[in-house]
Formats: sequence, structure tokens, C-alpha cells
Amino acid sequence: AQSVTQPDIHITVSEGASLELRCNYSYGATPYLFWYVQSPGQGLQLLLKYFSGDTLVQGIKGFEAEFKRSQSSFNLRKPSVHWSDAAEYFCAVAKEYGNKLVFGAGTILRVKS
Amino acid sequence: ETGVTQSPTHLIKTRGQQVTLRCSSQSGHNTVSWYQQALGQGPQFIFQYYREEENGRGNFPPRFSGLQFPNYSSELNVNALELDDSALYLCASSLRGDQETQYFGPGTRLLVL
Repeated sequence: AQSVTQPDIHITVSEGASLELRCNYSYGATPYLFWYVQSPGQGLQLLLKYFSGDTLVQGIKGFEAEFKRSQSSFNLRKPSVHWSDAAEYFCAVAKEYGNKLVFGAGTILRVKS
Repeated sequence: ETGVTQSPTHLIKTRGQQVTLRCSSQSGHNTVSWYQQALGQGPQFIFQYYREEENGRGNFPPRFSGLQFPNYSSELNVNALELDDSALYLCASSLRGDQETQYFGPGTRLLVL
């Protein structure tokens, strides 16, 4: 069965510092991969997605993620964090066309000034 | 373009009651998925509807049921509510062929007492 692991429950970074959120997935083939962000009391907003092609994908709000097949990872990065980036971030995988999303448990990002 | 909307935003029920949650898909989308997000966890897939037919179901009991209407709006019904059903219920719409990108609504917060 597919699974998604986000090893870090909480991460705290200083405003202006770089950020990397880790995501590892378990699936035999190349899945569809997503990062979503959830602000308190809100639904999920799509940051970026990977299906095929270039393994470095750009998203909204200055985020990017890199797919590494050999490591079964899809880590999210941002070169300079803003206070408004404080939220919970979810990595998700979809096995195939039309299939469900399987989410990780999420990483809560705190930004200190 | 109208996004995904859900109603109500909050709901309080007692154990054993029944509840209906509603979702309006993003314009042009023909697929809707429902997820349950318990406190401190990632969303869990409940089921998906495509053109009014159930198209995949997660590990949820039959007392969780759904409908999709010709205008692609959807309902989630939960019978015989249990305390553990307290959660944020998220609806996501997508368009078949659009690389399975799901767009989420703000959710309905259900509290079962």
C-alpha cells in the first residue's frame, strides 16, 4: 500500500532563512506527488505537483520541490521564509489516474522574527 | 471561476444522530472526493464520485455514504454518528484528465458530543 512519511512534526525557522520540509513515499512506480499548505481553520491549498519530466518543480509563493526517485523523496524548499509561510504543510501521493490522495501527517512550520 | 465551497462551516451533533454535509465543485469539474481530517492528522480519503457514480472508497464503514448530483455538487452523509467522527471534512473537486489535481474547499468542522 502507498504511504507518505513526513519525518518532522514541527519545524521552526527564522524569517529570511531557508527551509526544507522532508517527504518520503512508498510506492513501486512513479506516483503523482503533491504539496499542499493548510493555514489554521482553512482548507488545503495546492503549492505544487510532480507527474513526470523535470524533477525540480516550481510552485506558488516561491516554493519548489525536487523529486528523487533513488531516495523516494519529494522535499519542499524555499530559499527565504516569510512570516506568512507559517502553516501546516502536507505531502501527498496519488497512485494513478483517478485515484485517491494519500497524505502524510503534516509538518507544522513556525517562523520566528 | 468559482472555487470549491462547503456548507455548513461548523456543525455540532450528538452521538447516534445523522448529518449531511454539502459541497459545490469548482466550475467545470466532474469529480469530487471527500476526506476526513482528524485533529493533528493528515486528511484520509473517504470516497470519490465521478459523474454521479462512486469511483473508489477508502477504509470507512457503510454508514458514510455520498451522492453526486448532475451539476456535480455533492453530499456526504454520516449515519449513527460516533464521537470519533468529530473532524474536519474536506471536499475536493477535480477534472478527469487534469493530472489528478484536486482543489479543496475550506471544510466543515463537525463536533460529535
